[in-house]
Amino acid sequence: DQQVKQNSPSLSVQEGRISILNCDYTNSMFDYFLWYKKYPAEGPTFLISISSIKDKNEDGRFTVFLNKSAKHLSLHIVPSQPGDSAVYFCAAPKVAGNTGKLIFGQGTTLQVKP
Amino acid sequence: DTAVSQTPKYLVTQMGNDKSIKCEQNLGHDTMYWYKQDSKKFLKIMFSYNNKELIINETVPNRFSPKSPDKAHLNLHINSLELGDSAVYFCASSHGGLTADTQYFGPGTRLTVL
Repeated sequence: DQQVKQNSPSLSVQEGRISILNCDYTNSMFDYFLWYKKYPAEGPTFLISISSIKDKNEDGRFTVFLNKSAKHLSLHIVPSQPGDSAVYFCAAPKVAGNTGKLIFGQGTTLQVKP
Repeated sequence: DTAVSQTPKYLVTQMGNDKSIKCEQNLGHDTMYWYKQDSKKFLKIMFSYNNKELIINETVPNRFSPKSPDKAHLNLHINSLELGDSAVYFCASSHGGLTADTQYFGPGTRLTVL
């Protein structure tokens, strides 16, 4: 039972445009969400997070939106740059208040074309 | 400076063999983790140690045995390797196990069992 799902395996956008990566979850008890970015042959690196008490969190070009009623979150990258090309993972802690047991989606590969 | 390092990067071995993967972090973190990324690209937690003590043990076969000689190291030993063990294994660390504690990942070890 995969509680965090990224249904789009890949996304291709033009440099300068907006990239929107989506993530759905099934467990309404999740209270914190994270996005990680992964380049080939490297480990995932933390990108941005959001608490369930918020519906938006912004950090530079990256914004995460949370829609609790729809159990959906999205990562917006504006403007997209070629260096953003990577695999993006959505994750949520299985235990509230404890990131020790992160549940990851299967990732979305973003390609930003120059 | 490498924050979380793993050795080896690639490991090819025969079924039935015993192998180890080493992980070291120089971030001064108290908590370390092992994740497995399977062929479907899902990243799944296997183990977590806090200050050398096991705190998370997911439903992993007991052929997998983590060992933490000190809080900077968490090694993964696998006995009687099977074809299904082929995957990329990631080590990670965090300051603690709380929601706000970002996990830092190593570059991964690609294990291929023939």
